[in-house]
Amino acid sequence: EPEVTQTPSHQVTQMGQEVILRCVPISNHLYFYWYRQILGQKVEFLVSFYNNEISEKSEIFDDQFSVERPDGSNFTLKIRSTKLEDSAMYFCASKRLAGGGETQYFGPGTRLLVL
Amino acid sequence: GNSVTQMEGPVTLSEEAFLTINCTYTATGYPSLFWYVQYPGEGLQLLLKATKADDKGSNKGFEATYRKETTSFHLEKGSVQVSDSAVYFCALTFYNQGGKLIFGQGTELSVKP
Repeated sequence: EPEVTQTPSHQVTQMGQEVILRCVPISNHLYFYWYRQILGQKVEFLVSFYNNEISEKSEIFDDQFSVERPDGSNFTLKIRSTKLEDSAMYFCASKRLAGGGETQYFGPGTRLLVL
Repeated sequence: GNSVTQMEGPVTLSEEAFLTINCTYTATGYPSLFWYVQYPGEGLQLLLKATKADDKGSNKGFEATYRKETTSFHLEKGSVQVSDSAVYFCALTFYNQGGKLIFGQGTELSVKP
């Protein structure tokens, strides 16, 4: 069964450093998402991406964040200058079609620790 | 704004007990509703969903019915197993909002043998 993959599974970085989190969505999916989950808190939406552009972003997704789909398979989240409060689990998700009933499939997550 | 509220955890049950995890939502309009499950060390997996009022989603013995009148989508299972131990998330989405999921805070379930 096709699945969403994410790399790395864990990343430790120093405050102020740039990180790039990578995702490979399911191949025939068209809608892509990033979420994050700070330890012990709810899963929060960051950004949605369709047709090579951002379709919606949350208040969390400020100028320090960017997303890119550099080729036909990868979908990346970049944090330019990490802060301590960026420490969280980051989930990538994708879905095939528009429509509220369409299922989003999630990757296993990247656990980011900012020191 | 739109939001989801779940019952506080952790919930601890004995094997074969009946499970209910409450979920209520606040929404302007008619969302689709989902239950996702997160097993230890893993990502989120869809458990079940319902896209309109009175729909019942079901999977692996779990059920939830979309109740518009009470704005609820409570998760139930008649007989839980140790392998059901996980964190359960209720979520909603709208077609016209890019499809982002709005999650509840999650409810941890621990099932003891």
